[in-house]
Amino acid sequence: NAGVTQTPKFQVLKTGQSMTLQCAQDMNHNSMYWYRQDPGMGLRLIYYSASEGTTDKGEVPNGYNVSRLNKREFSLRLESAAPSQTSVYFCASSEPPAGPDEQYFGPGTRLTVT
Amino acid sequence: GQSLEQPSEVTAVEGAIVQINCTYQTSGFYGLSWYQQHDGGAPTFLSYNALDGLEETGRFSSFLSRSDSYGYLLLQELQMKDSASYFCAVRSTDYGQNFVFGPGTRLSVLP
Repeated sequence: NAGVTQTPKFQVLKTGQSMTLQCAQDMNHNSMYWYRQDPGMGLRLIYYSASEGTTDKGEVPNGYNVSRLNKREFSLRLESAAPSQTSVYFCASSEPPAGPDEQYFGPGTRLTVT
Repeated sequence: GQSLEQPSEVTAVEGAIVQINCTYQTSGFYGLSWYQQHDGGAPTFLSYNALDGLEETGRFSSFLSRSDSYGYLLLQELQMKDSASYFCAVRSTDYGQNFVFGPGTRLSVLP
């Protein structure tokens, strides 16, 4: 099992450019999440998807859109990148907890907007 | 509103015991989790407490007091590989009962 995979690993954009970050999980989880992590800070929730076909805003959704393509895949789109979106982006997945409440994270995408 | 507080940095020597505290204010509460993140890596799950008391997993233990809105992560027999950032996270009623993460505590283990 690969767990949670993300592409690309690194990306540099110019202000105003658009891009899509891809995420896939092979653990058959219903819930998927996108977080951003700025230097020296914790993770902040951008969007989440509780199940296939549903998406909802998290703490910092402005400037982003998401698509839950199927149960495996959850993509994050920046329509017009801004320097304030320079960050590390993590995708995660989980099942509604029946035991320890665990999220599984992908390796991250390091995005720089110039 | 919601907030989580952790010390920003902790330093200890190999073989020692260190405690990382977390206090929280959230709208509703379902449980407190701890994650470890090495530099350049992804967060990985360490432990979870839904009820008051101590949970032990090998060298790591986690404690929760719901009445005090407080928890801690206890790391014993510290090893150099434990040098990392540690985040507490709570699942609250905000944002669809999803996690809110603390700012993280950077642990440095010295030889």
